Amino acid sequence: AQSVTQLDSQVPVFEEAPVELRCNYSSSVSVYLFWYVQYPNQGLQLLLKYLSGSTLVKGINGFEAEFNKSQTSFHLRKPSVHISDTAEYFCAVKSGANNLFFGTGTRLTVIP
Amino acid sequence: DVKVTQSSRYLVKRTGEKVFLECVQDMDHENMFWYRQDPGLGLRLIYFSYDVKMKEKGDIPEGYSVSREKKERFSLILESASTNQTSMYLCASSLGGSTANYGYTFGSGTRLTVV
Repeated sequence: AQSVTQLDSQVPVFEEAPVELRCNYSSSVSVYLFWYVQYPNQGLQLLLKYLSGSTLVKGINGFEAEFNKSQTSFHLRKPSVHISDTAEYFCAVKSGANNLFFGTGTRLTVIP
Repeated sequence: DVKVTQSSRYLVKRTGEKVFLECVQDMDHENMFWYRQDPGLGLRLIYFSYDVKMKEKGDIPEGYSVSREKKERFSLILESASTNQTSMYLCASSLGGSTANYGYTFGSGTRLTVV
């Protein structure tokens, strides 16, 4: 069975500071990994995805994530956050024919 | 752009009512999904469908049913709403087969309150 762990439920960070949102997964087969963002009162929007190839994946709004197979991690990073990055972020994993499985989310709050 | 439209943003219903949540996608996607989102629990899959008139149970199907009579429309039905079904409901769609690995497109969500 696959699972996704987002270690931090809330991450406060000052504006223009760097941020890392952590995500670990468990799966014994090849996986596809995703980060979604949810702004207040909206649905989920795809930030970035890892399917294959380069382990460093760049997404929208200056975010990037690195796939680390040995550590089964897919942490999301941004070198300098803005107020507009305040949102909830979800890591998700898909393996084989299974459906997308989500973590419990990390609420990022950017403090001016 | 793929668009997934959920008919209601906010809905208030009484306990015991039959509730219909509608979802329509406009890009000919084969797969459609219903999730519910609760604080601290993330997104949990209720039902999904790979084709017209086909449906599969997700992780938490109890108390729900679905209908997919047309490819573009996937309805979630609460036969007799209860207060523990107060939640945010999210619909999603994706292409079929291995192309589903490219990810899902979500609607804006329906926040349902059962009183």
